[in-house]
Order: sequence, then C-alpha cells, then structure tokens
Amino acid sequence: GAVVSQHPSWVICKSGTSVKIECRSLDFQATTMFWYRQFPKQSLMLMATSNEGSKATYEQGVEKDKFLINHASLTLSTLTVTSAHPEDSSFYICSASYNSGSNQPQHFGDGTRLSIL
Amino acid sequence: GESVGLHLPTLSVQEGDNSIINCAYSNSASDYFIWYKQESGKGPQFIIDIRSNMDKRQGQRVTVLLNKTVKHLSLQIAATQPGDSAVYFCAENNYGQNFVFGPGTRLSVLP
Repeated sequence: GAVVSQHPSWVICKSGTSVKIECRSLDFQATTMFWYRQFPKQSLMLMATSNEGSKATYEQGVEKDKFLINHASLTLSTLTVTSAHPEDSSFYICSASYNSGSNQPQHFGDGTRLSIL
Repeated sequence: GESVGLHLPTLSVQEGDNSIINCAYSNSASDYFIWYKQESGKGPQFIIDIRSNMDKRQGQRVTVLLNKTVKHLSLQIAATQPGDSAVYFCAENNYGQNFVFGPGTRLSVLP
C-alpha cells in the first residue's frame, strides 16, 4: 500500500519552457503532499507543502510564481516549473501523507529528473 | 545548472556483515523519526520508523535505535546484502511539522 506515482520520470526541454510534473497517490487519499528538490549527492530540500483545496505553503527562498503548485484533489498534486532555465535543472521528488496533523510517514514518488538545455 | 555536489559520508561493509548507519538530529522536541533508503535515480523508500516514547524498534533485518539524551539515531542492518547498497537518510519530525532530513550516508556493500 501507500504507492505514490510521479510523472514524467525524466524531462529534457529548452530554456523558457514551462514543465508540469504530476504526483498521484494511487491507493490512498493524501491530505498533504510535499515537493522536494534534490541536487546530486545532497539531501532533500523541501520546497513547499500543499494541502488539498488550499494554497501551498512555500519554504523560504522558493519562488511561488516560479514553482506553481496545485493540489486539486486528494490524489493529485502538480508542480509547474514556469519558464524553466538551466539553473532549474534538478531532481524533483514529491511525497504524500495521509494526515498532516499527526506523525505519519511520507511516501515518496520516484522523482522527476528535469534537464533544461 | 545544478550545484556541485558534496561528498556523502560513505560506509563500506562486506557482504554478510552487519551495518550501522548513524544520524545526529537537531531538534530535541522531535518526536518521530524515519529511516529512508534511496537508490540511484529513485525516490526515498520507507524502511522503519520510531516514536520518541521508544528507544528501539525492530523490523525485518533492520533495527532502529534512538538515544534522545544525545539526539542520536542509528540504523542497524543485519547480514548486509548487495541490494542494501543505497543512500540512507534519517528524518525527524516535531509533531505536525515538516520532516527534516539528514545529509545521508552512502552504504556500499563489498562482495
């Protein structure tokens, strides 16, 4: 149980393109979804937390207009990297949990490798 | 582009030996902890968790130890196998807050 699917797994696109990444909880309803960014050989850096039906909460230093998050249903959250540039190239990972109000593990997708040319 | 990566701490063990991966956490108020395993090109995979009212928890071939006095968490893997090679992250949570992930340790299993 607790499977999270992320799509696409790898994107290569030109600078200036906007890219949408989907995160789906396949067998549970995710009240809260999280978006992380990970650089090579480094740990996960939380970008934002999204609760279904409300605006995402962004971490300090993360541009909300650059990284648009939509959590329209209990099983789907999307991250759109708008007007992507080479410095946005990274590994983006989403996670989902049942309940944000109590200690529950986060279940991760397999990540999306974004390469901006 | 992406920033230059840091060198992860690496633990090398012989196949069949036991592995111990350590993690120092930062927040004395953290009350929930998880160990994740991340293989190359994949997302983190849940291994085992422990709450602060416990100091030890066992799973299949894995044991997590929690020492709240010194804010230390460890993951023990018995009879380490090649498939255990990965990067291991500890994560701490202060009830209802976001998880904070450790820097990670790369485990290499030698044949």
